[in-house]
Amino acid sequence: SYELTQAPSVSVSPGQTARITCSGDELPKRYAYWYQQKPGRAPVLVISKDTERPSGIPERFSGSSSGTTVTLTISGVQAEDEADYYCQSADSSDTSVVFGGGTKLTVL
Amino acid sequence: QVQLQESGPGLVKPSGTLSLTCTVSGGSISGSMRYFYWSWIRQPPGKGLEWIGYIYDIENTKYNPSLKSRVTISVDTSKNQFFLNLSSVTAADTAMYYCARAPGRMVSFDNWGQGTLVTVSS
Repeated sequence: SYELTQAPSVSVSPGQTARITCSGDELPKRYAYWYQQKPGRAPVLVISKDTERPSGIPERFSGSSSGTTVTLTISGVQAEDEADYYCQSADSSDTSVVFGGGTKLTVL
Repeated sequence: QVQLQESGPGLVKPSGTLSLTCTVSGGSISGSMRYFYWSWIRQPPGKGLEWIGYIYDIENTKYNPSLKSRVTISVDTSKNQFFLNLSSVTAADTAMYYCARAPGRMVSFDNWGQGTLVTVSS
């Protein structure tokens, strides 16, 4: 079955830039989406269609895509950004929604 | 503002059937929101997200192949609700279950319920 691969954890200091990557063979042909999930809360969409920021999401969140890797970038990280981040896409036949394993962002 | 709310038993016995309801408020799933995809997603404790499936156009469904033999998703438009049934459950089905809305097929989930924890145990 199709998989999206994320690093388990990323750590940055406040004010620095965090980059969280997601890799998958179908990503050149499929959009990716990013969610932020804080403890005890439902996920919140922070990036849509690789690069689009939904209304209400701070400008410090951005997305990019290159080949089989998509990247969520958080510029000027704040303590409140500490959370788990998940990428999401679809498999090659567009029959299954697939989530990455998640990356825990720690703000030092 | 559209809101989704899960409900159902928090404890299910092994080999039994897990049944959950998602109540949608703030819009009609058969009217203004009839083109949305109504989904179930779960998250075992301490683990990642897993898509279970969705229902669209009232009667069409798509399920995760790994769960397909045990899953049924249905809708009651008169009550503005959709449902999840998962049969033959085991401890591996213990998870937080979320209902969510997607504006189309294989796209993002833009609105989520708060989730409901279901434990499978005797």
